[in-house]
Amino acid sequence: NAGVMQNPRHLVRRRGQEARLRCSPMKGHSHVYWYRQLPEEGLKFMVYLQKENIIDESGMPKERFSAEFPKEGPSILRIQQVVRGDSAAYFCASSPQEEQFFGPGTRLTVL
Amino acid sequence: GESVGLHLPTLSVQEGDNSIINCAYSNSASDYFIWYKQESGKGPQFIIDIRSNMDKRQGQRVTVLLNKTVKHLSLQIAATQPGDSAVYFCAETRPGRRALTFGSGTRLQVQP
Repeated sequence: NAGVMQNPRHLVRRRGQEARLRCSPMKGHSHVYWYRQLPEEGLKFMVYLQKENIIDESGMPKERFSAEFPKEGPSILRIQQVVRGDSAAYFCASSPQEEQFFGPGTRLTVL
Repeated sequence: GESVGLHLPTLSVQEGDNSIINCAYSNSASDYFIWYKQESGKGPQFIIDIRSNMDKRQGQRVTVLLNKTVKHLSLQIAATQPGDSAVYFCAETRPGRRALTFGSGTRLQVQP
């Protein structure tokens, strides 16, 4: 059973470009979570999704950020018009119930 | 506001010694607590969890203690090994909320 998969592992964007981060949950997991981690800090919750539904987006910035988890395919975290402050590691987790299993993360660098 | 925080940012121990990593939380409604280990360049790895109806839970070489009176959580690692070197995070959830609230992390350095 493969773990949570994220791609790309590293992503470099220039200011104003769009970033798309993908997350494939573990097989059988219907809950997906996105977290952001700045260097030397803990993870900060962004959004919790189930298939085709956003359940909790209380940690998502109001602008430029969006997330989806379609019926088919991976979950996508989309950041429009990136700024340098968006540079961080973005982790996806999936769960069957409470225990969350994390992917290896996508490290976004905004030039 | 609610928060989960750690007392010590860095802990250095000798190989073979026991390690204790502490965590304080502020939300008395928190009912599920997890310790994660994060190695450089990797995602958090689940270590052990505990529910608020328990005071202690043991795993392989690890023990988690929960003191709800003072809102304190600790992770004990027995016979610490070089492979235990990592950053350790506590995290919590509360009823009706699946999002994890993470502490800021403690870096464990194991000296050979």
